[in-house]
Amino acid sequence: SQTIHQWPATLVQPVGSPLSLECTVEGTSNPNLYWYRQAAGRGLQLLFYSVGIGQISSEVPQNLSASRPQDRQFILSSKKLLLSDSGFYLCAWSPGTYGYTFGSGTRLTVV
Amino acid sequence: GQQVMQIPQYQHVQEGEDFTTYCNSSTTLSNIQWYKQRPGGHPVFLIQLVKSGEVKKQKRLTFQFGEAKKNSSLHITATQTTDVGTYFCAGGYRGSTLGRLYFGRGTQLTVWP
Repeated sequence: SQTIHQWPATLVQPVGSPLSLECTVEGTSNPNLYWYRQAAGRGLQLLFYSVGIGQISSEVPQNLSASRPQDRQFILSSKKLLLSDSGFYLCAWSPGTYGYTFGSGTRLTVV
Repeated sequence: GQQVMQIPQYQHVQEGEDFTTYCNSSTTLSNIQWYKQRPGGHPVFLIQLVKSGEVKKQKRLTFQFGEAKKNSSLHITATQTTDVGTYFCAGGYRGSTLGRLYFGRGTQLTVWP
């Protein structure tokens, strides 16, 4: 069966520090991969999605970037965090024709 | 661009009352999906509807897709405290990247015992 792993679960980082969040999927090949951010009590904001290795589409211009170095690995990065980057970051995968499976998320607090 | 509107943003009901959340798109959807996010958790896929006028049921939950494939609803009969959470609809469109979904803002359901 397919599983998605996302870590860490919580993270507290100072302003200006770098960020790297990793997401991996098991049990499937060539998945569509997504990074979402959710502010407290708010909706889901799509940040990046990828349909294949090295293929990244950005939805919102910001100081975040994403990479897909391997088929089942998706990484969200920042060189310098801002206070406004705080939120709940969710990775998700889909086969393209059915529902998303979300990871358990990373709660990021920038202080 | 594509956008899915969802109302209401919040709903407070007493246990045993019914609950409905609605989604609407200005353009025709290829499919609509529904997700539930428990407090502190991550969204979990509930169901996908693809056919015009489709109705699907999961126990006390009834999902409908409009005839024009521009709107959808989720109805919960006789809510229970376990129904607490935020319900999101998400629509897909023909011509968009396969699998790309547009999420509504969600309806946060609170159930009073």
